[in-house]
Amino acid sequence: SAVISQKPSRDICQRGTSLTIQCQVDSQVTMMFWYRQQPGQSLTLIATANQGSEATYESGFVIDKFPISRPNLTFSTLTVSNMSPEDSSIYLCSVGRTDTQYFGPGTRLTVL
Amino acid sequence: ELKVEQNPLFLSMQEGKNYTIYCNYSTTSDRLYWYRQDPGKSLESLFVLLSNGAVKQEGRLMASLDTKARLSTLHITAAVHDLSATYFCAVDPYNAGNMLTFGGGTRLMVKP
Repeated sequence: SAVISQKPSRDICQRGTSLTIQCQVDSQVTMMFWYRQQPGQSLTLIATANQGSEATYESGFVIDKFPISRPNLTFSTLTVSNMSPEDSSIYLCSVGRTDTQYFGPGTRLTVL
Repeated sequence: ELKVEQNPLFLSMQEGKNYTIYCNYSTTSDRLYWYRQDPGKSLESLFVLLSNGAVKQEGRLMASLDTKARLSTLHITAAVHDLSATYFCAVDPYNAGNMLTFGGGTRLMVKP
């Protein structure tokens, strides 16, 4: 299995501001993934974060809005920039290990 | 574009009854995952199905995969209240154990 922690667990932010979410994994992984879960919805992949290279973004997500850092093999950050109420979601990081993808506890973001 | 469709989206059932959740997907893949999500919680991995004909069982839940039909099922036997949760299937279109495309989720309520 994988032990994944995220900070913060939840936050309430004002529109126009930015929030950086941290994800820490208990051991080294090549790829880390960021997903968004909008209220009452399923999960959507935002981007894949590889150490030493730029993140790869899925259709509908752009780096200016969701910049990602991956400074080492156990850590990544996702920033939600210039937030609007539509960004209110749960943001989850994920890693793959032994044919299974594990998810962190999530960061519940509310934008007012 | 890969589409993953679950049905039903909502299921209310009595304790002791059996039911099946269906997951159809639109592209070839040999990897399919089932997750459980409790309200306000992250995703818990239930099953990883890695080949055509794979069948896995854990307690009252049994999952199967037919890659030719692009169909997976999650069968619930003699449901109990503790199974109440949202269940997601997810497909790995690259068969690499990482980027997942999720179905819309099935919210299951088991009534006493």
